[in-house]
Amino acid sequence: LAKTTQPISMDSYEGQEVNITCSHNNIATNDYITWYQQFPSQGPRFIIQGYKTKVTNEVASLFIPADRKSSTLSLPRVSLSDTAVYYCLVGDKGGSQGNLIFGKGTKLSVKP
Amino acid sequence: DAGVIQSPRHEVTEMGQEVTLRCKPISGHNSLFWYRQTMMRGLELLIYFNNNVPIDDSGMPEDRFSAKMPNASFSTLKIQPSEPRDSAVYFCASSRGQGNEKLFFGSGTQLSVL
Repeated sequence: LAKTTQPISMDSYEGQEVNITCSHNNIATNDYITWYQQFPSQGPRFIIQGYKTKVTNEVASLFIPADRKSSTLSLPRVSLSDTAVYYCLVGDKGGSQGNLIFGKGTKLSVKP
Repeated sequence: DAGVIQSPRHEVTEMGQEVTLRCKPISGHNSLFWYRQTMMRGLELLIYFNNNVPIDDSGMPEDRFSAKMPNASFSTLKIQPSEPRDSAVYFCASSRGQGNEKLFFGSGTQLSVL
């Protein structure tokens, strides 16, 4: 069971790049890393998923070092609307859902 | 696609009453999940179904909770009798598979048990 550790909260200002790091020291060979975003009064929303190196989409980038024991979600030029809770999850596709733990996430506050 | 649809959006009930939460997953998704979110415990998986069959209900807190999925387009989570400590936001999610597949969440049901 790959446990993840991420900061409880982070503060940033509009226009800055935000990097949220997640530690997952016991990640397994078949595990993928997935990030979700949750706004107040809404369900979590998938942001990005990766296995190794770098993944980029229209919303964010995910950086995964060679040892895969951590990962960094990068949000370019954040705006006030990026204020949300961000969750890092680690697990294999097709595996038990019970092993996929959301935890408390990282509460990102973007200030003007 | 309308996404995952949950009802009701809000539910206020008195202790001891039966509560039924409903969920319609995204068409074509074969896995459905019920989560509960509270400030203290965060987002917890209660139970999940694959092809309408319950796979893991180890997260269901106690016998007062039950979930069914009679067909691929509908699921219910029932609490009977309800207690104040059941107050939380209950989310339903669906995906094309199990494990670390992309989850699509509904808007949740805010349950308050007085």
